[in-house]
Amino acid sequence: EVQLVESGGGLVQPGRSLRLSCSASGFTFGDYAMSWVRQAPGKGLEWIGLIRSKSDGVTTDYVASVKGRFTISRDDSKSIAYLHMSSLKTADTAVYYCSTGYYWGQGTLVTVSS
Amino acid sequence: SYVLTQPPSVSVSPGQTARIPCSGDALPTQYAYWFQQKPGQAPVLLMYKDSERPSGIPERFSGSSSGTTVTLTISAVQAEDEADYYCQSADSSGTNWVFGGGTKLTVL
Repeated sequence: EVQLVESGGGLVQPGRSLRLSCSASGFTFGDYAMSWVRQAPGKGLEWIGLIRSKSDGVTTDYVASVKGRFTISRDDSKSIAYLHMSSLKTADTAVYYCSTGYYWGQGTLVTVSS
Repeated sequence: SYVLTQPPSVSVSPGQTARIPCSGDALPTQYAYWFQQKPGQAPVLLMYKDSERPSGIPERFSGSSSGTTVTLTISAVQAEDEADYYCQSADSSGTNWVFGGGTKLTVL
């Protein structure tokens, strides 16, 4: 059974950093690009960025609003994708999902508040 | 920045056909994807590459493309289809992905 499980969310103060993890199982993780998508409370989906597979150069792309603050990485040996978030703002409060496009995790809530 | 435009809401009666359009300048050259999201749940992929249906998605869901608009069509709508629907695609560079604002489908 395919599973994507996000972890690492929680309450964090503005300006601080947080790292989210996405643990994958049930499929060949290294063959897939991994995306991060977020959803602010009561709002729509927002694509944050993606990291391509090793065969596509492990390159990354980001939405403009997080470029320079967020970094996506991956460890194919552990089947984990990471979202490193720094200089967090209250506007970053959202449920964060990892996804292959087809498979999605259940999300982890990040609340940025003083 | 690139924008995909969807109507905020669509309403249909059970058994009727719902059509949800999504417009964007790069859609003639970039594939679109459709997702269904019910309250408190993660999105589910309904359609990929404009009109391809993943396994397990009912045949009443279909996708089409014409110029700068892609459309998700739900035939014989059922009460369980009430949800938010999002289109997703990339800009002309293929590196910046966006979601449409979402369409809330109400089954009357």
